[in-house]
Amino acid sequence: DGGITQSPKYLFRKEGQNVTLSCEQNLNHDAMYWYRQDPGQGLRLIYYSQIVNDFQKGDIAEGYSVSREKKESFPLTVTSAQKNPTAFYLCASSKGSGLYEQYFGPGTRLTVT
Amino acid sequence: RKEVEQDPGPFNVPEGATVAFNCTYSNSASQSFFWYRQDCRKEPKLLMSVYSSGNEDGRFTAQLNRASQYISLLIRDSKLSDSATYLCVVSNTGKLIFGQGTTLQVKP
Repeated sequence: DGGITQSPKYLFRKEGQNVTLSCEQNLNHDAMYWYRQDPGQGLRLIYYSQIVNDFQKGDIAEGYSVSREKKESFPLTVTSAQKNPTAFYLCASSKGSGLYEQYFGPGTRLTVT
Repeated sequence: RKEVEQDPGPFNVPEGATVAFNCTYSNSASQSFFWYRQDCRKEPKLLMSVYSSGNEDGRFTAQLNRASQYISLLIRDSKLSDSATYLCVVSNTGKLIFGQGTTLQVKP
């Protein structure tokens, strides 16, 4: 079964801790993305990667970091510098960047207290 | 002006009704257009791509008007299971821009 997996589904952390969210895809897609969604709001782009070992900042990259060492994997680290990290985090992938439809994983709900 | 604008609704319609959503976009150079559906607390799922000639998939019809820079989604014979948030998505400078969504609630 081809798809995108994200783990864990729910994550709870204390303030001041870094946390890494996992995203894996077996669709053989080149591009991968991380979005954040807050209640009642649209998706905001955090980081994206068009190819292995390369990534670009999105609209709200501050307080986040990513790596793209393998085509299948694009983990997101939420650092303690992120002022308001509690949110629904969605990972997506697409065949190429910009013009192609994106497919999403089930998301991770992060709560920081 | 937002890059992609949608009326957030909610649109409350009875089962069997026809409902239409519009979405406007700001970048006339945009080339790709999509409608996604998002159920409560779930990930967005691709509903359909929107082509210049318009396209239909069962009860769903999408249209693109480049001159006026808007896309539309028409849902005929609404079902209870159509209740969701519908996201308008437009390409812009190498990325997809997601609208905030229009919420549809279909009532029995």
